[in-house]
Amino acid sequence: IVLTQSPGTLSLSPGERATLSCRASQSVSGSYLAWYQQKPGQAPRLLIYAASNRAAGIPDRFSGSGSGTDFTLTISRLEPEDFAVYYCQQYGGSLPYTFGQGTKLDIK
Amino acid sequence: QVQLVQSGGEVKKPGASVKVSCKTSGYTFTDFGISWVRQAPGQGLEWMGWSTSYNTNTHSAQNFQGRVTMTTDTSTSTGYMELRSLRSDDTAVYYCVRDLAVPNMIFFDYWGQGTLVTVSS
Repeated sequence: IVLTQSPGTLSLSPGERATLSCRASQSVSGSYLAWYQQKPGQAPRLLIYAASNRAAGIPDRFSGSGSGTDFTLTISRLEPEDFAVYYCQQYGGSLPYTFGQGTKLDIK
Repeated sequence: QVQLVQSGGEVKKPGASVKVSCKTSGYTFTDFGISWVRQAPGQGLEWMGWSTSYNTNTHSAQNFQGRVTMTTDTSTSTGYMELRSLRSDDTAVYYCVRDLAVPNMIFFDYWGQGTLVTVSS
């Protein structure tokens, strides 16, 4: 399954709302789609699993939605620490795992 | 707490091999597997393969078949990834992540800190 994220770069200001998209080349079984945040020099951090479930310790300004082939990560009010790169990953069906190419969220 | 601690950075010449280790703690090693994910400089995430000590099963991504070997050592709760015939485009940060013990799929909640492998003549 090929995952395509858009936009490639999103420039916003703190306090604004961010909407990131992840589109799959075929339906993701069970909506088994995860979102990760990665900051420079760090490993990715799990934000969302099964399309809409926040991982432990993730603030409620992060939310995920979608099913089938279209998924969205929304950050309701951007905090300075949210500016990073975001990846989606599908884990439905059988190996291999695949990731989207990433969306860079930077400060406007 | 769950931890995955990887070995230090490596510099290798083209054609050489590299072996990265991933020492785990905080959970029962044989109840889970380990996947390996790499990230070239400025690029995205690429899944390389999976291994488990549950039944010593492995599965590698098509791009790496024949060049990668993933193993586990239950006596030390450590996973290993060896990549052979290194090329300059293998320069990347290599991550280990906790995975399932069977070849189903799951989200990645625990990651190692990453190991930078540099391939240069």
